[in-house]
Amino acid sequence: AQSVTQPDIHITVSEGASLELRCNYSYGATPYLFWYVQSPGQGLQLLLKYFSGDTLVQGIKGFEAEFKRSQSSFNLRKPSVHWSDAAEYFCAGINDMRFGAGTRLTVKP
Amino acid sequence: EPEVTQTPSHQVTQMGQEVILRCVPISNHLYFYWYRQILGQKVEFLVSFYNNEISEKSEIFDDQFSVERPDGSNFTLKIRSTKLEDSAMYFCASSDRERNEKLFFGSGTQLSVL
Repeated sequence: AQSVTQPDIHITVSEGASLELRCNYSYGATPYLFWYVQSPGQGLQLLLKYFSGDTLVQGIKGFEAEFKRSQSSFNLRKPSVHWSDAAEYFCAGINDMRFGAGTRLTVKP
Repeated sequence: EPEVTQTPSHQVTQMGQEVILRCVPISNHLYFYWYRQILGQKVEFLVSFYNNEISEKSEIFDDQFSVERPDGSNFTLKIRSTKLEDSAMYFCASSDRERNEKLFFGSGTQLSVL
């Protein structure tokens, strides 16, 4: 079945450190891929999306993601994490907007 | 920025009761969705709705669920006879085009079934 998977359930990083959250997809054709963030008690917010073209996508809040067809990956990155980035992060794929299981990010002071 | 609003933010109900979760999508949007998230689990697609009919639904969306756009502005999810396992955060989303170039999500309704 077509899907996205997030291998890491929980990641802890220190404030100021770099971050990479993994997302793998299994769509046959070029997928449309998204990253969403969910802060505690809040709804989902779109960080960025990839449809085609430049494989490095810039999003809001200093996040970026790189689409790598050879690795079937769409990993989310941020060079320097802030304490306010602590949240649940979801990778999602079209055509059915199936979400990955999510990765919970904890930021240590 | 326009937003999707959901009411109530928290709904408590007894098992077996009917609940209606309400959503007001963004006014010029045509595609509507419901998702749910059971505590600690991933976000799950329930149903999509376009042109006054269901366009897609998941295996979760069984006969106890129904959706309606009663008045051109609201989009509701009804659960006919709630079960304990229906306890979850329910998210409404809307989009102005097919295939979800950008979904706008509401902040969710936390449903607690006792």
